[in-house]
Amino acid sequence: DGGITQSPKYLFRKEGQNVTLSCEQNLNHDAMYWYRQDPGQGLRLIYYSQIVNDFQKGDIAEGYSVSREKKESFPLTVTSAQKNPTAFYLCASRGRGSYNSPLHFGNGTRLTVT
Amino acid sequence: SQELEQSPQSLIVQEGKNLTINCTSSKTLYGLYWYKQKYGEGLIFLMMLQKGGEEKSHEKITAKLDEKKQQSSLHITASQPSHAGIYLCGADHNNAGNMLTFGGGTRLMVKP
Repeated sequence: DGGITQSPKYLFRKEGQNVTLSCEQNLNHDAMYWYRQDPGQGLRLIYYSQIVNDFQKGDIAEGYSVSREKKESFPLTVTSAQKNPTAFYLCASRGRGSYNSPLHFGNGTRLTVT
Repeated sequence: SQELEQSPQSLIVQEGKNLTINCTSSKTLYGLYWYKQKYGEGLIFLMMLQKGGEEKSHEKITAKLDEKKQQSSLHITASQPSHAGIYLCGADHNNAGNMLTFGGGTRLMVKP
């Protein structure tokens, strides 16, 4: 079955360390997205990519970086510059330019930084 | 996102009761999506609305988009404990298909 796989499900890091969250999809979708969700809040867009080797900043890109070397993969790095990195991170994908199609989501990675 | 407001933020209903969740945009919507989320999990797609006045139903859940395409409602009939979770609306505010913004979510609890 096609879908989006995020790993790991739980991640613990010490403050000051960079950490990379994995997102892989086999839906053949061109566009991929990273969202952040804090307790009791909705989703905020970090970065998105509509095509390989291209990506754009979302609303809260500071302290994060991404790469899109392959269509299937869109890893997110949470850098030490991110002031409040503890959150639930969700990866999603959709067909390119498909404003009339829903996003498909992974099951998320919960990052805790102490 | 301030572009998309959901109400109420939380809701507790008795099993068997009906309920409505609202999603309001300050801009015209090109697409409106409803999702359900269990705590600590990803979002499950429920329904998509695009045309003004459009209404869709699945089992006991009905979603509507107003004629002006700025407001949507999600109505659950005869609620069950399985309906509990967080409901989020998401929207395309342009036709480029690049960004999807989300409301703050509505946390629903259904008391048996």
